Amino acid sequence: GESVGLHLPTLSVQEGDNSIINCAYSNSASDYFIWYKQESGKGPQFIIDIRSNMDKRQGQRVTVLLNKTVKHLSLQIAATQPGDSAVYFCAENPDNQGGKLIFGQGTELSVKP
Amino acid sequence: EPEVTQTPSHQVTQMGQEVILRCVPISNHLYFYWYRQILGQKVEFLVSFYNNEISEKSEIFDDQFSVERPDGSNFTLKIRSTKLEDSAMYFCASKREQGETQYFGPGTRLLVL
Repeated sequence: GESVGLHLPTLSVQEGDNSIINCAYSNSASDYFIWYKQESGKGPQFIIDIRSNMDKRQGQRVTVLLNKTVKHLSLQIAATQPGDSAVYFCAENPDNQGGKLIFGQGTELSVKP
Repeated sequence: EPEVTQTPSHQVTQMGQEVILRCVPISNHLYFYWYRQILGQKVEFLVSFYNNEISEKSEIFDDQFSVERPDGSNFTLKIRSTKLEDSAMYFCASKREQGETQYFGPGTRLLVL
């Protein structure tokens, strides 16, 4: 069946350290992946995306890595700041037609000052 | 920067009552979605809408649910007879074209008593 899951439900890091959040997906036909950040009481906020023809994509302080061989996705946040504290979801677009997203369970990132 | 808006932010209703959740997608977007998130759980797809018709719906989206785009700006989700288990955050999302990112609204918190 379709599923997207996360390895770690919580992650606590020190301010200034790098954070790595992981995600496993099961649908090998998926060709588009997105990381969203969700702060308490708010909607998912787009961070970065990657298509299956790439294995790495960089944004401002964030990098997404895609390993299609093991169906693994990761989000790296450089120099983590207190404002990065939130729940991070990976999402998978299994068919890129109707465009529904399948979300993982989420990882809560806590940044200690 | 354009964003998806949703009203109301909170809604409390009695079991069996009808509710209508409203969304204003980003103005040049063509694909519209509803998702829900039960407290502490992952975001779940409900329905996608394009060209004035439903393109896909999940098993959650049963006969009690309906969507409508009554004019050029609003996109609504109606629950005809609410149940206790409908209590959740409901998110609207939109995107411009296939293969592009979905942007989410801030959500409506629905509480069914």
